[in-house]
Amino acid sequence: AQSVTQPDIHITVSEGASLELRCNYSYGATPYLFWYVQSPGQGLQLLLKYFSGDTLVQGIKGFEAEFKRSQSSFNLRKPSVHWSDAAEYFCAVGPNQAGTALIFGKGTTLSVSS
Amino acid sequence: EPEVTQTPSHQVTQMGQEVILRCVPISNHLYFYWYRQILGQKVEFLVSFYNNEISEKSEIFDDQFSVERPDGSNFTLKIRSTKLEDSAMYFCASSEGSLSETQYFGPGTRLLVL
Repeated sequence: AQSVTQPDIHITVSEGASLELRCNYSYGATPYLFWYVQSPGQGLQLLLKYFSGDTLVQGIKGFEAEFKRSQSSFNLRKPSVHWSDAAEYFCAVGPNQAGTALIFGKGTTLSVSS
Repeated sequence: EPEVTQTPSHQVTQMGQEVILRCVPISNHLYFYWYRQILGQKVEFLVSFYNNEISEKSEIFDDQFSVERPDGSNFTLKIRSTKLEDSAMYFCASSEGSLSETQYFGPGTRLLVL
């Protein structure tokens, strides 16, 4: 069955420290991969996406993610976290086809300490 | 930048009542979606809609639910007779329909069924 696992429910990082949020997926075909962020009271904002090509993708707000097919992973990274990055982060996978469902992980809540 | 909008932001209703959640997708997008997120759980796909008909739906999307595009801009989700377990955040999304598929999400409607 198709699934997305985000092993970390909650992570706390000091401001200025680096961040890595983990995402593993189970998918039969080559998936499209996404990271979304949800700030309190806000909707889901797309951070970045991977469709094909270079396995290291750059997104907004200084985030990047690396697709590793051998590990079925798509981890999100940021070299230096800012207090405004505190939010919930969702990894999602989808097929190479419009009009079909995205499958989301349960999300990782990021807290940033000063 | 164009965005998906949803109204209302919050809705409280009594069990057994009908509710209609409204969404205005991005204007040149062709595919529309509803997802929901029960508190503390993952975002779940409900339904996708294209060319005035449902293109995919999940097992959650039973006969209590319906979707409609009543005019050229709105996309609605109707819950016919709400249950307590329908309490959730409901997200609308839209996508352009190209091969590089990205779904853009609205801010959500928080529905509380009492």
